[in-house]
Amino acid sequence: DTAVSQTPKYLVTQMGNDKSIKCEQNLGHDTMYWYKQDSKKFLKIMFSYNNKELIINETVPNRFSPKSPDKAHLNLHINSLELGDSAVYFCASSHLGLAGVLTQYFGPGTRLLVL
Amino acid sequence: SQQGEEDPQALSIQEGENATMNCSYKTSINNLQWYRQNSGRGLVHLILIRSNEREKHSGRLRVTLDTSKKSSSLLITASRAADTASYFCATAPARSNYKLTFGKGTLLTVNP
Repeated sequence: DTAVSQTPKYLVTQMGNDKSIKCEQNLGHDTMYWYKQDSKKFLKIMFSYNNKELIINETVPNRFSPKSPDKAHLNLHINSLELGDSAVYFCASSHLGLAGVLTQYFGPGTRLLVL
Repeated sequence: SQQGEEDPQALSIQEGENATMNCSYKTSINNLQWYRQNSGRGLVHLILIRSNEREKHSGRLRVTLDTSKKSSSLLITASRAADTASYFCATAPARSNYKLTFGKGTLLTVNP
């Protein structure tokens, strides 16, 4: 069984379109994340939800809106896509322990190409 | 701001050799983690070392942590072609329970 799954795996779209990426985890974790990995492989945190509550909201254009319908799902909606949004988007999940952020489990990534 | 910085950016070795990658960071941490990313795939957790630990082993992996120098190293012994991947360190800050900050990674190529 896939622990963290994302759909779609590939997304090719035109500038100005609106698109969504979905993420689901079956690990029973209480925290989920969205990361963006650019062409130089730099991985940057975008958002995090803990028990459906937004706990991390980095400096991200407000065209990006996360939604967590329940603890097992975290979706990312992007409005008015721009060329610079082209990247690989990773979903991840983890437990938050008393000792801080613990092991994160990553999905396979969604490769977004904006034309 | 960037927390972890891996060094070197790229490393090419022969199968059977050891590979050492280093990570430096700037602020106090709760723990430091190493991840591997194969080409076109998601990141996979390798090992976590807490701030009060100095060394940890897992199979062919050995991680050290020097909090006074704010640095960590990952040693892969007896490397295999299948170890070819990018390796990232990630730090969990001492004052935040929520966020891991990743470095830019070291691309390791193990030649058969």
